[in-house]
Amino acid sequence: GQQLNQSPQSMFIQEGEDVSMNCTSSSIFNTWLWYKQDPGEGPVLLIALYKAGELTSNGRLTAQFGITRKDSFLNISASIPSDVGIYFCAGRKSGNTPLVFGKGTRLSVIA
Amino acid sequence: NAGVMQNPRHLVRRRGQEARLRCSPMKGHSHVYWYRQLPEEGLKFMVYLQKENIIDESGMPKERFSAEFPKEGPSILRIQQVVRGDSAAYFCASSPLSWEETQYFGPGTRLLVL
Repeated sequence: GQQLNQSPQSMFIQEGEDVSMNCTSSSIFNTWLWYKQDPGEGPVLLIALYKAGELTSNGRLTAQFGITRKDSFLNISASIPSDVGIYFCAGRKSGNTPLVFGKGTRLSVIA
Repeated sequence: NAGVMQNPRHLVRRRGQEARLRCSPMKGHSHVYWYRQLPEEGLKFMVYLQKENIIDESGMPKERFSAEFPKEGPSILRIQQVVRGDSAAYFCASSPLSWEETQYFGPGTRLLVL
């Protein structure tokens, strides 16, 4: 079935560095969401994007809804150890369709 | 304000047994969604329910899997005659209105089939 392509699959960064990850699709999505999952827990919503070109921030996190509606990126500035986890993008094609998730980007932060 | 609750958190079953996974949505939420997550994978949608109704079950396997959300009590995901391939984390999410709304996820049930 439809799946979103997330990259990179994993990344190791030093504390204090900025992080960038993205999500692409071959089809258009009308909603893009970014979630974080800690080990043994469910995903927690970080940012929701509803409009092409939209740029939204949540603290040190910034996400953008690509202008083509086929991609989105998430940036984390000045990473800290608690940023460790798996970041998932998710998209919805239209109002009455299920969320489609990417496979995640696994982030490790070295203190 | 309690979040989405799922139990059990971990469940071990032998092949051929039944697994029952329970989900209590957030207070005030009447829409429930079930997802399955295989190791190293993203979440895959299974089913969307409102109270006493299945709205979309396009992600549910055709056999052995069923879901309900009764008028009273939690939503139940039932897997009959489990096989090793059913081993996964099963997440429930809820939202206050339709499924366009933000979904809040529970902590998941990790099913291991021996």
